[in-house]
Amino acid sequence: KQEVTQIPAALSVPEGENLVLNCSFTDSAIYNLQWFRQDPGKGLTSLLLIQSSQREQTSGRLNASLDKSSGRSTLYIAASQPGDSATYLCAVEGNTGFQKLVFGTGTRLLVSP
Amino acid sequence: GEEVAQTPKHLVRGEGQKAKLYCAPIKGHSYVFWYQQVLKNEFKFLISFQNENVFDETGMPKERFSAKCLPNSPCSLEIQATKLEDSAVYFCASSQWAGGQPQHFGDGTRLSIL
Repeated sequence: KQEVTQIPAALSVPEGENLVLNCSFTDSAIYNLQWFRQDPGKGLTSLLLIQSSQREQTSGRLNASLDKSSGRSTLYIAASQPGDSATYLCAVEGNTGFQKLVFGTGTRLLVSP
Repeated sequence: GEEVAQTPKHLVRGEGQKAKLYCAPIKGHSYVFWYQQVLKNEFKFLISFQNENVFDETGMPKERFSAKCLPNSPCSLEIQATKLEDSAVYFCASSQWAGGQPQHFGDGTRLSIL
C-alpha cells in the first residue's frame, strides 16, 4: 500500500527566503507526482505535475524534482512571499492506470512580511 | 465551464438524514473523482468515473455511499443515514483523460453532521 509522507509538517519563514518542502513515498511504481497548494476553506490548486520519466518541472518561482528510485520529491520555492502562505500537498498516482491519487499529509507554510 | 463547480459549499444534516452533494466537472473532461478530506489533511479516495461509468470504486464505503455521473447532469455523491464520522470536506476533481493528466479540484463541500 502506497504511503506518502511530507516533512516538515509546518514551516515558518521570513519573506524572501528560499525554501524546500519534502515528499517521500514508499512504492516507486508511480505514474506521476503532483504538487498542490490548498488555501484555507478552498480546494486544491495544481502547481506542478512530474511524470515518472521526468526529473523536474519548473513554473515561475517553483521547481519540483523527482527521484523515483529513492521515492522522493522536493518542491523548491524561491524568494518566498507572504502570498505563498498555504498548505502544500504532494500526491502520487500509481501506475496501474486507475488514476486515483494518494496524498501526503501536507506542509503548512507561513511566510511573514 | 473552466472550473470544477461543487454545490452546496456547506451542508448541515442531522445524524441519520440523507446528504447529497453535486459536482460539475470541467467541460470536456472525461474523468471525475471524489475524495474525502478529514482531520485537516487526510485525503481519502472514494470513487472515480469515466464519463457515466464507474472507473474505480475501491475507496467507496459500500453500505451508505453511492455516486452517479449521468449524461448532461452534474455528478452526485449521496450518503444515506449519515453518521457523525461522515463530517468532512468532500472534494470533486476532473481530468481530461486517464493516466498522467493533472486533476483539477473544486472548492469542496463541507458536510457537517450534527
